[in-house]
Amino acid sequence: QVQMVESGGGLVKPGGSLRLSCVASGFAFSGYYMSWIRQTPGKGLEYISYISSREDDIFYADSVKGRFTISRDNAENSVFLQMNSLTVEDTGVYFCARGLGMNPDWGQGTLVTVSS
Amino acid sequence: DIQMTQSPSSLSAAVGDRVIITCQASQDIYSYLNWYQQKPGRAPRLLIYDATTLQPGVPSRFSGSGSGTDYTFTITGLQPEDVATYFCQQYHHLPYSFGQGTNLDIK
Repeated sequence: QVQMVESGGGLVKPGGSLRLSCVASGFAFSGYYMSWIRQTPGKGLEYISYISSREDDIFYADSVKGRFTISRDNAENSVFLQMNSLTVEDTGVYFCARGLGMNPDWGQGTLVTVSS
Repeated sequence: DIQMTQSPSSLSAAVGDRVIITCQASQDIYSYLNWYQQKPGRAPRLLIYDATTLQPGVPSRFSGSGSGTDYTFTITGLQPEDVATYFCQQYHHLPYSFGQGTNLDIK
């Protein structure tokens, strides 16, 4: 059974940092693109980043470029999202998802709240 | 960037009704379109991909159609468990983008 479990969300002040983790199971993780998608009150669902299996194809949405960094550890079946210089507009639920574009499997999400 | 305009934003229908949601892309997306269902507190669930292909395990009362810039999602025979928010999403051109959603409830 395919499963993704996100963690690392929480309350952080504007300008702060968080590192989100997503541990996957039930499929051959090293062979798949992995994506981060967030859902915010302001913009709704937003596809913010993806990473290829070999880390040679990486995408960031303009809204997070230069502030967020995606990475993965295929040995640990994990994908990460380092989030720096957070703003209140980054508040929302962050989902990791298997695949690129067409994402049949999502985690349950982790809530990030940016507030002073 | 491709803008996805979804309508209506909310919809109320009776059990057994046919429900239609539309999504218009700001440019041709060549059927690279998904439809998702999201219930409160849950992640979106992929129902349809490539505009018309039903994800395995999804009931056949759900269907999708369309091409070019205009796409339609249909529920034929609404069930109580279909109460949810529905989203379209294009994955033809980066950044992949979602519609704003349709909140569906039972009349």
